[in-house]
Amino acid sequence: DAGVTQSPTHLIKTRGQQVTLRCSPISGHKSVSWYQQVLGQGPQFIFQYYEKEERGRGNFPDRFSARQFPNYSSELNVNALLLGDSALYLCASSFSTGSSSPLHFGNGTRLTVT
Amino acid sequence: QQQVKQSPQSLIVQKGGISIINCAYENTAFDYFPWYQQFPGKGPALLIAIRPDVSEKKEGRFTISFNKSAKQFSLHIMDSQPGDSATYFCAASRIQGAQKLVFGQGTRLTINP
Repeated sequence: DAGVTQSPTHLIKTRGQQVTLRCSPISGHKSVSWYQQVLGQGPQFIFQYYEKEERGRGNFPDRFSARQFPNYSSELNVNALLLGDSALYLCASSFSTGSSSPLHFGNGTRLTVT
Repeated sequence: QQQVKQSPQSLIVQKGGISIINCAYENTAFDYFPWYQQFPGKGPALLIAIRPDVSEKKEGRFTISFNKSAKQFSLHIMDSQPGDSATYFCAASRIQGAQKLVFGQGTRLTINP
């Protein structure tokens, strides 16, 4: 069975640009979460979506937005990129919301902002 | 109150030894404590998780010990193997509501053959 797939794997953008990252969850999983992992640190929660509705939002500016589609795939958008947005962006899926349903992470999209 | 503090930052253990990683949390509302393993170029993978109604959980060579009064939990890896060399993250969240994991800073574990 395919795991969580993310695209692209690597991305280089310039300050001020906008970026869209994509995620396909494990088949049957209805929840998608996004995390930012800065080099040398633990992942930080950005968003959780379940059944196309936002269920949680972390401490990130409004430049970050996301959505979930009817097929449960998801996109993370970041506007007006800053150098500090350079990080590994991880998508995770689970069958349902709530921590009783384990999170399965993809291998991430490495974003570099120059 | 949302922090999870993890130590040590890095750890070197001989093959066959016991690796121990510690975490402390502040938010008493947390009631789910997973450990994740991450290899270079890969996403974190769930190793083992515990809820505060038990003090210990064991799965194979991996054991979580949990001390609710001290707000601390730890991962023990018995008979450590070179293939265990990875970065380990503890995390905490509430079981109900949004699946909002708060991660520790990570421990880079190296097992010497």
